[in-house]
Amino acid sequence: GQQVMQIPQYQHVQEGEDFTTYCNSSTTLSNIQWYKQRPGGHPVFLIQLVKSGEVKKQKRLTFQFGEAKKNSSLHITATQTTDVGTYFCAGRRGYSTLTFGKGTMLLVSP
Amino acid sequence: NAGVTQTPKFRVLKTGQSMTLLCAQDMNHEYMYWYRQDPGMGLRLIHYSVGEGTTAKGEVPDGYNVSRLKKQNFLLGLESAAPSQTSVYFCASSYSTGTMNTGELFFGEGSRLTVL
Repeated sequence: GQQVMQIPQYQHVQEGEDFTTYCNSSTTLSNIQWYKQRPGGHPVFLIQLVKSGEVKKQKRLTFQFGEAKKNSSLHITATQTTDVGTYFCAGRRGYSTLTFGKGTMLLVSP
Repeated sequence: NAGVTQTPKFRVLKTGQSMTLLCAQDMNHEYMYWYRQDPGMGLRLIHYSVGEGTTAKGEVPDGYNVSRLKKQNFLLGLESAAPSQTSVYFCASSYSTGTMNTGELFFGEGSRLTVL
């Protein structure tokens, strides 16, 4: 079945440092979504990427979808303590259900 | 709008007991899902529904049953709870996954279940 691998599993940064999480699929995706889950909270949708090579920005967050539509990344510039949480990617083939990666837990020290 | 509401939020069961988790959404979404979240395992799909009266198995369906008698409600049942079902359960809903919308998932706040 479809697998979505996400690395790293965990990252601890100092406030102001950058952070990147990577997502790789075993199959070509029709789209990929990113979610953020704060500690003790529920996943919240951040963005969806659909096109090959697509790049989208949300303030300090930059999302990329690979040319082959099998990988994606989320980059946070100058992290803040409010960025703490677990970031999940979720890939979809065609009209199937989403397959979630295991997430990257981000800790930010002030 | 309340969005997606799950009840109960916490429950402790003994092995062999049964229970039902209720999910309700007020966004008129067609699709509804039940996930479980375990440490280091991400979100795994248990069952889902593409519309009223329909259900389908996800990645980890064993030990669970679901029903979607009304469009706004999606019930997850455990007939005979086992310690391996100790987890946090999330319900989610979405519009159809057609190309005219994002198909993003809206999650409930979660239900923490402990089976002793």
